[in-house]
Amino acid sequence: EDKVVQSPLSLVVHEGDTVTLNCSYEVTNFRSLLWYKQEKKAPTFLFMLTSSGIEKKSGRLSSILDKKELFSILNITATQTGDSAVYLCASPGTYKYIFGTGTRLKVLA
Amino acid sequence: DGGITQSPKYLFRKEGQNVTLSCEQNLNHDAMYWYRQDPGQGLRLIYYSQIVNDFQKGDIAEGYSVSREKKESFPLTVTSAQKNPTAFYLCASSPGLVNTEAFFGQGTRLTVV
Repeated sequence: EDKVVQSPLSLVVHEGDTVTLNCSYEVTNFRSLLWYKQEKKAPTFLFMLTSSGIEKKSGRLSSILDKKELFSILNITATQTGDSAVYLCASPGTYKYIFGTGTRLKVLA
Repeated sequence: DGGITQSPKYLFRKEGQNVTLSCEQNLNHDAMYWYRQDPGQGLRLIYYSQIVNDFQKGDIAEGYSVSREKKESFPLTVTSAQKNPTAFYLCASSPGLVNTEAFFGQGTRLTVV
């Protein structure tokens, strides 16, 4: 059965810290790995990763995929209170997107 | 602007009542999905539809029903058979599954009173 597993489940850090969120996957006919940020309502799209070893970057956020070891990481540097959210990773299976349970990040001022 | 519209944003239901959540998209996407999210948890798939007039059960379909009579619309009915319907419901769509993300609506928060 296809699955996506995220760790840690929750994380509390202070402003300015750097955090690494993990996502491992077992998906038949893997095509891509997606990262989303969810604050109050709809998840907002961050990155889509399809190639191993190529970093995607947007401001203080970056992500990389390792297709050999079947995982991805999301890094956030110099965290801010506005980064507090649930971060979801997902991968498209044969007919649907498979989501992990998410990592709840809280950044303290 | 293109997007996904869910309505209502908040919904209160008495026990034993059926309620229908609306989801409309103008992105011309073939695939649509309904997810349920409980506090502190991830997204669980209720139903999905890859094409109009066809839909499939997801992981937690019991107590729910859907229809896909039009490409742009994928309403979800929460029936009285759903024992614990209080949750946040998210509708999503995608043009397919290859090299594309899912696009989400703003969600409907359903509360049973």
